Amino acid sequence: AQSVTQLGSHVSVSEGALVLLRCNYSSSVPPYLFWYVQYPNQGLQLLLKYTTGATLVKGINGFEAEFKKSETSFHLTKPSAHMSDAAEYFCAVTRPLSGGYNKLIFGAGTRLAVHP
Amino acid sequence: DTAVSQTPKYLVTQMGNDKSIKCEQNLGHDTMYWYKQDSKKFLKIMFSYNNKELIINETVPNRFSPKSPDKAHLNLHINSLELGDSAVYFCASSQDRDSSYNEQFFGPGTRLTVL
Repeated sequence: AQSVTQLGSHVSVSEGALVLLRCNYSSSVPPYLFWYVQYPNQGLQLLLKYTTGATLVKGINGFEAEFKKSETSFHLTKPSAHMSDAAEYFCAVTRPLSGGYNKLIFGAGTRLAVHP
Repeated sequence: DTAVSQTPKYLVTQMGNDKSIKCEQNLGHDTMYWYKQDSKKFLKIMFSYNNKELIINETVPNRFSPKSPDKAHLNLHINSLELGDSAVYFCASSQDRDSSYNEQFFGPGTRLTVL
């Protein structure tokens, strides 16, 4: 069954430093992968997604992620962190269901803290 | 205009009570979802409706009953509330039933506290 593992429940970086949030997936079929961000007291917002095609995916707010099949990874990066990037980040994979439906399986989340 | 809205934003109630959370989306989407986020931020799907038809029904207590009067609304009714029901409940919607390609848009959440 499809699943995702996010390594590191908390990540802390300095403003201007590289952001790297790790996600590894398990899937018996070609995966569709997503990164969502949750700002404090808000719902989730899609950052980027990988379905097919180019393995380097660019998203909003300067984030990008690279799908690496050989490593079963989909790590999220941003070259330079801003204070406004402080949030909870979720990696997700789709799990096929009968009838052609799918559902999203979320990782446990990584809380990103950005300090001056 | 809010794309996916939920009411109420906060709900504090006693054990044993019955309560409802309402969700509305104005995106014209066909599919709506309910998720539960626990105190450790773990997010799990509960239900999904496509054009008022139930398509995902995870293993949740039957005290939880979703109702979709039309494709723009998906309400969640909870009977006999228990302490363990305390969580943040998120409504979401997507253009159609295939979440492989379609982004899910989330509401702001309803924080339920059962005392």
